[in-house]
Amino acid sequence: GAVVSQHPSWVICKSGTSVKIECRSLDFQATTMFWYRQFPKQSLMLMATSNEGSKATYEQGVEKDKFLINHASLTLSTLTVTSAHPEDSSFYICSAPRQGNQPQHFGDGTRLSIL
Amino acid sequence: SQQGEEDPQALSIQEGENATMNCSYKTSINNLQWYRQNSGRGLVHLILIRSNEREKHSGRLRVTLDTSKKSSSLLITASRAADTASYFCARLLFGNEKLTFGTGTRLTIIP
Repeated sequence: GAVVSQHPSWVICKSGTSVKIECRSLDFQATTMFWYRQFPKQSLMLMATSNEGSKATYEQGVEKDKFLINHASLTLSTLTVTSAHPEDSSFYICSAPRQGNQPQHFGDGTRLSIL
Repeated sequence: SQQGEEDPQALSIQEGENATMNCSYKTSINNLQWYRQNSGRGLVHLILIRSNEREKHSGRLRVTLDTSKKSSSLLITASRAADTASYFCARLLFGNEKLTFGTGTRLTIIP
C-alpha cells in the first residue's frame, strides 16, 4: 500500500485562489520531504526541500513567497500555491525517503488547474 | 542542465520483446535509481544501484551501471502491455538527499 499520501489529487480553481496540497508519510517519520513540479511529457523538476522544524530550501528560480512550504510535524508537509494563476497549472508531486539515501516514496501527485 | 539525458525519449515495441533504456549523467554519484510513472500518477521505485555496483536484477528488470562512462541502462525483458509507462533514472550525489531526474523514456508496449 501507499506509504506517502498526497491530497488533493485534483484541484480546479479560479485565478487568484490559494491552494494547499498536503503530503503525509503514513508509516514512517520523514524529517525531509521533497516537492516537485512536472509539466506534461516532461521530467520532474525539484522545487524545494521541506525540512521538519525549519525553513524549506528552495531551488534556484523558485519563488519562496509564491510556493509556501510548511513541515510542522514528522509526517506532514504542505505546499501552498499562493494567489495561483494559469501559469501555475501543473502536476505537483511530493516524496519522502525513509532515511538517508534510500529510495524515495512518492505521493500520487496533485493536478492543479487554474482557470 | 543538471538533468541527465535518457534515450530514447520514446520507445514502442511489441509485447514479448525486450526494452532497453539508457541514462547518461555528468557528475559523480552515490547511487542511481530507476523509477516508473504511469500516466498522471506518482513515481514507483524500481531499482537502486550503488556506485560500486555494476549490475542488479529484479524480476524482469536488469540495471547496469558504468561509472567510467557515467551511464546506466534499464532492460525490461519479455515486455507486457502493463509495462507501458514513463521510466526515469534519478541520481543521488554524495552528501545529498536530493534526487536529480533524467529526461525520461516513454515506453509503449503494443499488445
